[in-house]
Amino acid sequence: EVQLVESGGVVVQPGGSLRLSCAASGFTFDDYTMHWVRQAPGKGLEWVSLISWDGGSTYYADSVKGRFTISRDNSKNSLYLQMNSLRTEDTALYYCAKIYGDYNYFDYWGQGTLVTVSS
Amino acid sequence: EIVLTQSPATLSLSPGERATLSCRASQSVSSYLAWYQQKPGQAPRLLIYDASNRATGIPARFSGSGSGTDFTLTISSLEPEDFAVYYCQQRSNWAITFGQGTRLEIK
Repeated sequence: EVQLVESGGVVVQPGGSLRLSCAASGFTFDDYTMHWVRQAPGKGLEWVSLISWDGGSTYYADSVKGRFTISRDNSKNSLYLQMNSLRTEDTALYYCAKIYGDYNYFDYWGQGTLVTVSS
Repeated sequence: EIVLTQSPATLSLSPGERATLSCRASQSVSSYLAWYQQKPGQAPRLLIYDASNRATGIPARFSGSGSGTDFTLTISSLEPEDFAVYYCQQRSNWAITFGQGTRLEIK
């Protein structure tokens, strides 16, 4: 059974930093591109970032470019999101998501970890 | 960035009725469009990928159509568990975007 378990979400002040983690199991982690997607409270879905299976390619939404860094450790079956210079508008539930086959659609999602940026 | 606009924002229907949800892209995404269902407190669930292909385990009452800039998700006969929020998503380039969602509510 595929499982994605996010952690690391907390309350942080504007300008602060945070590292989210996603522990993956039940599939061959290093076969798949992985993504982070977020959802602000009561709002829609927003794609954040992706990383290729080997970490060689990364992409970011314009809203986080230059502030967030995605990475992975295939030996630990883990995905990460380093979040710097946090803003109030970064407050959201952050999901890690696995792609469906070779396509950048998402067939498995974690339960999400809540990041609150507030003074 | 490709903007996806979903309509209507809210759709009120009764169980057994047919639901038609729309997603329009600001530029062509070919057939690289998916539909998701999200219920309160849950992660989204992939329903349709590449415009018209049902994902694994999705009931046949869900169907998708369209290409280019105009896409439709159809639920042929609504079941009580289908009332939820639906999102479209494009993958035509690496800058993935989602629509703002359509809330399907019980009339």
